[in-house]
Amino acid sequence: SQKIEQNSEALNIQEGKTATLTCNYTNYSPAYLQWYRQDPGRGPVFLLLIRENEKEKRKERLKVTFDTTLKQSLFHITASQPADSATYLCALPSEGSTLGRLYFGRGTQLTVWP
Amino acid sequence: EAQVTQNPRYLITVTGKKLTVTCSQNMNHEYMSWYRQDPGLGLRQIYYSMNVEVTDKGDVPEGYKVSRKEKRNFPLILESPSPNQTSLYFCATLGNTDTQYFGPGTRLTVL
Repeated sequence: SQKIEQNSEALNIQEGKTATLTCNYTNYSPAYLQWYRQDPGRGPVFLLLIRENEKEKRKERLKVTFDTTLKQSLFHITASQPADSATYLCALPSEGSTLGRLYFGRGTQLTVWP
Repeated sequence: EAQVTQNPRYLITVTGKKLTVTCSQNMNHEYMSWYRQDPGLGLRQIYYSMNVEVTDKGDVPEGYKVSRKEKRNFPLILESPSPNQTSLYFCATLGNTDTQYFGPGTRLTVL
């Protein structure tokens, strides 16, 4: 079965710097990969989806890359702000399916300090 | 406003007392799902439903039941709750672009 690893449980950076979070996976080739943000006690909120034929996708200060050879996705937040502090989850669909079945990593808790 | 609602948001109960957590969505999505989230274990899928009257097990279905009698509702039923079902539960729907929309969560404590 697929295995998803997010590089660290916690990441602390200074305001204005770029935060880089890593998501690694094994055992298969997903059709896409997603990133979510989760604030304490709240449901995850979708941020970005990148498909297997896309190398990079951007949305405002967010950038996601997808390296299917390395089996890795990098999630960047540029010019980080304290309001970006949250837990970030990567998610991949189950093998052989593009509908609904998602497996989530355990998340990386990002803290941006002033 | 597009949303997924869950009730109750908080619940403390005792072992063996049947309970139902409701989930409702107003986005006309076919697909709905239930997850539980536990510290150190992340989000794990309990059950999902591809459409009305179609449900299937996720990764941790033991001790749970679901039903999908109409598109907008997908209740989660715990027939005989046990302390190991103490968790934070999320309902989610799937949008047209493979995006999942999550409800606000239900924090359940089973004593």
